[in-house]
Amino acid sequence: EVQLVQSGAVVKKPGESLKVSCRVSGNGLSTYWIGWVRQMPGKGLEWIGIMYLGGSDTRYSPSFEGQVTISADKSIGTAYLQWASLKASDTAMYYCASAVDGTYVFDPWGQGTLVTVSS
Amino acid sequence: QSALTQPASVSGSLGQSITISCTGTSSDIGGFNSVSWFQQHPGKVPKLIIYDVTKRPSGVSNRFSGSKSGNTASLTISGLQAEDEADYYCNSYRVTITPNYVFGTGTKVTVL
Repeated sequence: EVQLVQSGAVVKKPGESLKVSCRVSGNGLSTYWIGWVRQMPGKGLEWIGIMYLGGSDTRYSPSFEGQVTISADKSIGTAYLQWASLKASDTAMYYCASAVDGTYVFDPWGQGTLVTVSS
Repeated sequence: QSALTQPASVSGSLGQSITISCTGTSSDIGGFNSVSWFQQHPGKVPKLIIYDVTKRPSGVSNRFSGSKSGNTASLTISGLQAEDEADYYCNSYRVTITPNYVFGTGTKVTVL
């Protein structure tokens, strides 16, 4: 089974850029999908998108298309979620989660990264 | 894209059974046996408690069970315990222009 460790909490100003990471350790990483989930304060879970570590397939939920970029450095087993210009409304907890290709099961999850955007 | 529909809150007394519904469409719940359920306590990471509609991960209490009928999935918690008080989210694979996943709106379970 893989383990996911995310980068630490950050505080940014509106308009700044940000890249949060999710380090995936374990065997068979190329058979995994990594998904990113947003949880705004006091709100529910929302899928941002998913990326296949074994290829180039990346899919965004319609609400997030063009708002963020999901990428990965497969040589070091790390996935990224990136913003070019943050807004206050991006303040949220962000989780990464993993699923074996061919299953629908996202487990385990990272510990979460709290992103606070405030002037 | 619209979330799957769950009741905002469900409550039950200690020892009782409760059921949480999750309603989607034939493009998600009705089309695949992909429904999973997550339990989230305040300030904690979501925990997988049901996958593939009815299966329980190792270590999850058998008081949790899942089912599906048509476009609606359900999570039943039997023998309700104080530690079951949490938020619960369903999740399903969804086929649209770009196949992806979708969560439910979430249900707050209160143990009376």
